[in-house]
Amino acid sequence: DSGVTQTPKHLITATGQRVTLRCSPRSGDLSVYWYQQSLDQGLQFLIQYYNGEERAKGNILERFSAQQFPDLHSELNLSSLELGDSALYFCASSVGDGLYEQYFGPGTRLTVT
Amino acid sequence: AQSVAQPEDQVNVAEGNPLTVKCTYSVSGNPYLFWYVQYPNRGLQFLLKYITGDNLVKGSYGFEAEFNKSQTSFHLKKPSALVSDSALYFCAVRVLREYGNKLVFGAGTILRVKS
Repeated sequence: DSGVTQTPKHLITATGQRVTLRCSPRSGDLSVYWYQQSLDQGLQFLIQYYNGEERAKGNILERFSAQQFPDLHSELNLSSLELGDSALYFCASSVGDGLYEQYFGPGTRLTVT
Repeated sequence: AQSVAQPEDQVNVAEGNPLTVKCTYSVSGNPYLFWYVQYPNRGLQFLLKYITGDNLVKGSYGFEAEFNKSQTSFHLKKPSALVSDSALYFCAVRVLREYGNKLVFGAGTILRVKS
């Protein structure tokens, strides 16, 4: 158990809908990362927050947004969902913003029908 | 742009034999390299990292990795494989010259250890 928690574990929704994925980092970690894992794209970095502020951005679609709250938990919002958004979404956290290893949560499996 | 390549989709090894999972990298500058393992229906687990220093890095669960600058490689190794090592292994490189701690992952290598 990495200490990173993600909810929900599974999510099934229809195209065009909006969902919110939640992540609580390990105690004491200030950085939160979001990744998308799919068979065709592999593991893709989406976005990083550090102590409440956006720190780095990857291949995140405009339909997706994220934020980190004062208590350091983070949410990833996915809107206007398409079939291709079906994937495993991972949250990870690390102590800081430097060369720290990232600890991953168990993931949220999103299925868009 | 930074990237890593894992040339083998799958590696098969007998229990008790040494294992190697290959990774090559492409960076402009000093590489910061990581290995992660993913068990079925689980998140990724950190195994080890190379930042600087000794070319042989020791990590969790008896794994080690050898950094080779001339060959731009960072292969994961274990002297004696266990059936429980069967999993999906990812090599990753930190993106340099950008803010944040962004990692780029390889496609992954499935390791199958047979008894």
